[in-house]
Amino acid sequence: KAGVTQTPRYLIKTRGQQVTLSCSPISGHRSVSWYQQTPGQGLQFLFEYFSETQRNKGNFPGRFSGRQFSNSRSEMNVSTLELGDSALYLCASSSTVNYGYTFGSGTRLTVV
Amino acid sequence: SQELEQSPQSLIVQEGKNLTINCTSSKTLYGLYWYKQKYGEGLIFLMMLQKGGEEKSHEKITAKLDEKKQQSSLHITASQPSHAGIYLCGADEASGSARQLTFGSGTQLTVLP
Repeated sequence: KAGVTQTPRYLIKTRGQQVTLSCSPISGHRSVSWYQQTPGQGLQFLFEYFSETQRNKGNFPGRFSGRQFSNSRSEMNVSTLELGDSALYLCASSSTVNYGYTFGSGTRLTVV
Repeated sequence: SQELEQSPQSLIVQEGKNLTINCTSSKTLYGLYWYKQKYGEGLIFLMMLQKGGEEKSHEKITAKLDEKKQQSSLHITASQPSHAGIYLCGADEASGSARQLTFGSGTQLTVLP
């Protein structure tokens, strides 16, 4: 079956702009979570969505937001981009059957 | 919140050698995941451990969760260049129905041919 699909793979944005990243989970998975990976902070949890509801949120500013659609696809949005937002953004989907997390290939965001 | 400490931070081994990576938690582990990552790419699932004393193997990789469920180890037998990458342990933190993974800082493995 198809894995977790993240688009786009690469993005270059200018400071102050906003960006939207997309994640399509494995078919049947209703939980989607987002993580930010940077060399300095490692992998950090952003938020988790389940059935269109945000169930959990990490310690990130309000510029980071997300949503989930009825087909479980999820988007995350970062507004007023800062240089420090440059990172690899990873999305993971999970089922309620075995609770395992499957990650996508990530979106590499570069803010200049 | 839970903290995971991985050791060593980096490891350079000769092809064919065995190696072990450790992951120690500040709290009891209820779900421990091991992932492998090539630089700049997504995480590849290796194994999930949930029960104290559990041990799982896949090809030449074995992972264990100790009885007290606060430490896990990943052992690679007869390492190959294809094993090179960053190994990450992640702990499943659940608060009610909300879930998230907390990760260790990773172990960079280099296998010399």
